[in-house]
Amino acid sequence: QLQLQESGPGLLKPSETLSLTCTVSGGSVSSTGYYWGWIRQPAGKGLEWIGSVNYSGYTYCNPSLKSRVTISVDTSKNYFSLKLSSVTAADTAVYYCVRRGTNGEPKTYDPWGQGILVTVSS
Amino acid sequence: QSALTQPASVSGSPGQSITISCTGTTSDVGGYNYVSWYRQHPGKAPKLMIYDVTYRPSGVSSRFSGSKSGNTASLTISGLQADDEADYYCSSYTSSGTWVFGGGTKLTVL
Repeated sequence: QLQLQESGPGLLKPSETLSLTCTVSGGSVSSTGYYWGWIRQPAGKGLEWIGSVNYSGYTYCNPSLKSRVTISVDTSKNYFSLKLSSVTAADTAVYYCVRRGTNGEPKTYDPWGQGILVTVSS
Repeated sequence: QSALTQPASVSGSPGQSITISCTGTTSDVGGYNYVSWYRQHPGKAPKLMIYDVTYRPSGVSSRFSGSKSGNTASLTISGLQADDEADYYCSSYTSSGTWVFGGGTKLTVL
């Protein structure tokens, strides 16, 4: 059974770079049928799609975040990562890593990691 | 990209049926059959309930069903149970190659 687990610092200062890693178990980020992505949720608010990456490193991101976002995949270590630069308090949220199907797989986000709270505060 | 429009809240009594709507545009909900629904209990990660408008993942109760008409997708829950009380989110693929979520609907089981 595929499982995703987020890890990274939980507290950042404004202007720093958020760096999160999602470790994949029970499956491989090298699978051609999937994209690996990030979704975030500020406290008490809705879900916001950040972006996704496939096994070859092809990415696409939310236009509103694109200038600050880098998503990458490490097939040798079976994980993928998110970097968000120049963070502000508005980036405070629970960040989820997810898998999405493509190439014949259902085009939906499943499963989800448990989420990691990232707080931006001086 | 604008968020899909969902009602802020809906409610129903145990055993009843409720429907949650998700309205977008021809560039997202209306243009593709890639609408999903997620249930989120407080403090938990979202769980997939419906994908590709009408399909239920293995293990999801048949009480959950999805449909779409024009630019509006809908999630129907029949035979409401206490555990159905949660936030529900829709999502859709868009013509820009991106994904968009609805603002979420809080379901209260009276």
